[in-house]
Amino acid sequence: DVKVTQSSRYLVKRTGEKVFLECVQDMDHENMFWYRQDPGLGLRLIYFSYDVKMKEKGDIPEGYSVSREKKERFSLILESASTNQTSMYLCASSFLYRDRGSTEAFFGQGTRLTVV
Amino acid sequence: AQKVTQAQTEISVVEKEDVTLDCVYETRDTTYYLFWYKQPPSGELVFLIRRNSFDEQNEISGRYSWNFQKSTSSFNFTITASQVVDSAVYFCALSDFAQGGSEKLVFGKGTKLTVNP
Repeated sequence: DVKVTQSSRYLVKRTGEKVFLECVQDMDHENMFWYRQDPGLGLRLIYFSYDVKMKEKGDIPEGYSVSREKKERFSLILESASTNQTSMYLCASSFLYRDRGSTEAFFGQGTRLTVV
Repeated sequence: AQKVTQAQTEISVVEKEDVTLDCVYETRDTTYYLFWYKQPPSGELVFLIRRNSFDEQNEISGRYSWNFQKSTSSFNFTITASQVVDSAVYFCALSDFAQGGSEKLVFGKGTKLTVNP
């Protein structure tokens, strides 16, 4: 079974702190994603990566950065946490078939971040 | 740009009722994929189905069935004889081709289904 693991289930940080959310997948997937989930807004893509060291902005990248130094790990960084970044963060990964697109995305259990 | 609309924010049914969750999408791509995910109270999204745009056959998996109609850009999800364990938020999603040939997913806002005993 595909396993996508997020380092923390719950996190409380102070305004202005630099926050790292870590995600690891164990199925050698090329694609990795960070989504943010807020009530009434569904899932919104923050950043994604289709290869090591490659990253693309999603729909709401402001205030975030990412790092992918190894294929299995994709980190989301909040440079200076703010209260409006209080949310559920979901990591996902998928396998890329070069000739027929990607598989379905597999999700981690989510990190509920509260910025106070 | 890709867009997914799930017009039903919340649905409440009584156990054993059938329920249909609506999904309407917008895309300019000729090849695309549609997905349904379930998010139970535990929070982790569970994949239910992936459907290729060239395959309009309806799909049935146990009590779950999906109706894909390109003419109306809809991909609706029906649960037959609903059970309390079906209570969850259900998301419809559409593929959006990106850099390197990869796909990212564009999600609808979700439909919260509550099945009461």
